[in-house]
Amino acid sequence: QKEVEQNSGPLSVPEGAIASLNCTYSDRGSQSFFWYRQYSGKSPELIMFIYSNGDKEDGRFTAQLNKASQYVSLLIRDSQPSDSATYLCAVKGDQAGTALIFGKGTTLSVSS
Amino acid sequence: KAGVTQTPRYLIKTRGQQVTLSCSPISGHRSVSWYQQTPGQGLQFLFEYFSETQRNKGNFPGRFSGRQFSNSRSEMNVSTLELGDSALYLCASSLVASGGGTDTQYFGPGTRLTVL
Repeated sequence: QKEVEQNSGPLSVPEGAIASLNCTYSDRGSQSFFWYRQYSGKSPELIMFIYSNGDKEDGRFTAQLNKASQYVSLLIRDSQPSDSATYLCAVKGDQAGTALIFGKGTTLSVSS
Repeated sequence: KAGVTQTPRYLIKTRGQQVTLSCSPISGHRSVSWYQQTPGQGLQFLFEYFSETQRNKGNFPGRFSGRQFSNSRSEMNVSTLELGDSALYLCASSLVASGGGTDTQYFGPGTRLTVL
């Protein structure tokens, strides 16, 4: 059973702080890693993806991947109240048609 | 470019009925995946279609089925509805230019199904 684990939270940080969201996965064959943000009552929105070990930065967001440890994280710098949402980690194998396997999400609350 | 669209957005049915949900992918996208989201189970994969063929299927009963048309639009059907089928049903499309695993999936707004 392929699993993706996330701390459900809630993770509470003050405005301007760094929020760190973590995710571990069980399938060593996973090749693609995605972070989605989901506001209450809305559908998941892609934030960023990462395929290679190391860091990938996009604006205030940094994704980090360590395949040896089967660990992926998302850092949000200068957190804003508008970042308050549930963050979903998803992993995918390298075969065509393989499904995204989602964690259950971490709820982030940014207080002003 | 328009995003993924899903119809209807909200649906109320009673147990035993059947329902058909529709999804139109982003223009040029050839793969459509369906997911069920519930508070208890999170997002769970139902099935994926590419070029009118189901390539992958999740662990759901046969009451859940789908199809894809030549224009990449997809429908999913749930027969003999049960209370536990109440959920947000999400469709996601991806480009799948080469069939590799790195294609990014973009989600539609979802269909909220309530079974009474």
